[in-house]
Amino acid sequence: GENVEQHPSTLSVQEGDSAVIKCTYSDSASNYFPWYKQELGKRPQLIIDIRSNVGEKKDQRIAVTLNKTAKHFSLHITETQPEDSAVYFCAANFGNEKLTFGTGTRLTIIP
Amino acid sequence: NAGVTQTPKFQVLKTGQSMTLQCAQDMNHNSMYWYRQDPGMGLRLIYYSASEGTTDKGEVPNGYNVSRLNKREFSLRLESAAPSQTSVYFCASSERGAQRGQYFGPGTRLTVT
Repeated sequence: GENVEQHPSTLSVQEGDSAVIKCTYSDSASNYFPWYKQELGKRPQLIIDIRSNVGEKKDQRIAVTLNKTAKHFSLHITETQPEDSAVYFCAANFGNEKLTFGTGTRLTIIP
Repeated sequence: NAGVTQTPKFQVLKTGQSMTLQCAQDMNHNSMYWYRQDPGMGLRLIYYSASEGTTDKGEVPNGYNVSRLNKREFSLRLESAAPSQTSVYFCASSERGAQRGQYFGPGTRLTVT
C-alpha cells in the first residue's frame, strides 16, 4: 500500500546545531518527495522537494537527500535558528496525482 | 495573487447538521485536494480532483462529498456532521502531473458538538 513513515516524531536541537528528519516510503515507483513546514496555526508550506533522478538538493540551510535503493529520504537543516521551530512533514507520490504524507516531526530549537 | 483561499475560517456545528466548505485558487492549477489534519495523524486525503469534471476518493472519504464547480473552485460538503469530523480541513492545489508540489489554503477549523 501507499505508506510513508517519518522519524522522529519530536526533535529538540540547540540553536546553531543541525537537525535531520528521516522518511521511508513503501512503493519503489514513487518519484517525487516534497517537504512541508507548518508553523503553529498556519498552513503547510512547501520548503523543498526532490525528484527521483536526483540524489541531493540544497537550498541555503536546508537540503534533502534521497536513497532510492533503500527507499528513504531525509531533510537536513544546518545552523538552526529559532524560526526553524515548526512541524515538518515529508510526503511521497505514488505514480499519480496524489501525495501521501508522513505523520510529522515537531522540531524545537533551543536558544 | 491570493493563492488558495478557504471559507469559513472557523465553524461550529451540532451533530447532524450539514455544511459546505469552500475553496478557490487563482493559480490556474488543474488539480485540487481536500485534506483533514488531526493531531498525530498528519494530513489525510479526503477527496481530490485531477481536472475539472473529475473527482476521486482519497484515504478517508466516508461522510463527505465534493464538487469541482469549475477550474478554480472545489467544495467539500458534510451532509450529516459527526463529532468524529471535528478537525482542521485544508484545501490544496497543484499543477497537473505526478511530480508537482501542492499549495495549501489557510484551513478551516471545524468543531462538531
